[in-house]
Amino acid sequence: GENVEQHPSTLSVQEGDSAVIKCTYSDSASNYFPWYKQELGKGPQLIIDIRSNVGEKKDQRIAVTLNKTAKHFSLHITETQPEDSAVYFCAAIPGAGSYQLTFGKGTKLSVIP
Amino acid sequence: DSGVTQTPKHLITATGQRVTLRCSPRSGDLSVYWYQQSLDQGLQFLIHYYNGEERAKGNILERFSAQQFPDLHSELNLSSLELGDSALYFCASSVRQGYGYTFGSGTRLTVV
Repeated sequence: GENVEQHPSTLSVQEGDSAVIKCTYSDSASNYFPWYKQELGKGPQLIIDIRSNVGEKKDQRIAVTLNKTAKHFSLHITETQPEDSAVYFCAAIPGAGSYQLTFGKGTKLSVIP
Repeated sequence: DSGVTQTPKHLITATGQRVTLRCSPRSGDLSVYWYQQSLDQGLQFLIHYYNGEERAKGNILERFSAQQFPDLHSELNLSSLELGDSALYFCASSVRQGYGYTFGSGTRLTVV
């Protein structure tokens, strides 16, 4: 089955700096890669996603890049703010009729004011 | 509010007991997915229903079962509970299978 590795597990940045979280996946048939933000006591919230036919996608301060050849994808947050502090999860859907998400272990991002 | 409603928010029960967790998907979403989140295992897929039919099973124990009703709400039944079943249980829904999951706020189950 699909396996998703996520790094780093914790990340501290100064407010205004950029943060990058990286994930690798094992199944070359995977075709959908969402990123979720989870705040304390809440459920995961979809913040951006990318499909396998796209290399990069941006939404304001957030961007995701996908390298299908290397089987890795990354989340980039620019101009970080204290409210960006949360746990971020990457995920992948294997495709080929499979619809469940396989998640990475998560990255706890702390933005220091 | 994500539009996915889970009840109850918290549940404390004793070992050996049985509980039912409820999920109401967003309006119009036909797919419901259940996930378990624990500190050591992360978010683990349990089961997927689409329009009342079971579509896939993940790492779901035989003591656990689920169903999706004609009004599309879903229930996750956990029986013969053990201490290790303590976790957050999330439900998610999507209008299309496999895309744009929206998660509920979860049910925190504590088995004592």
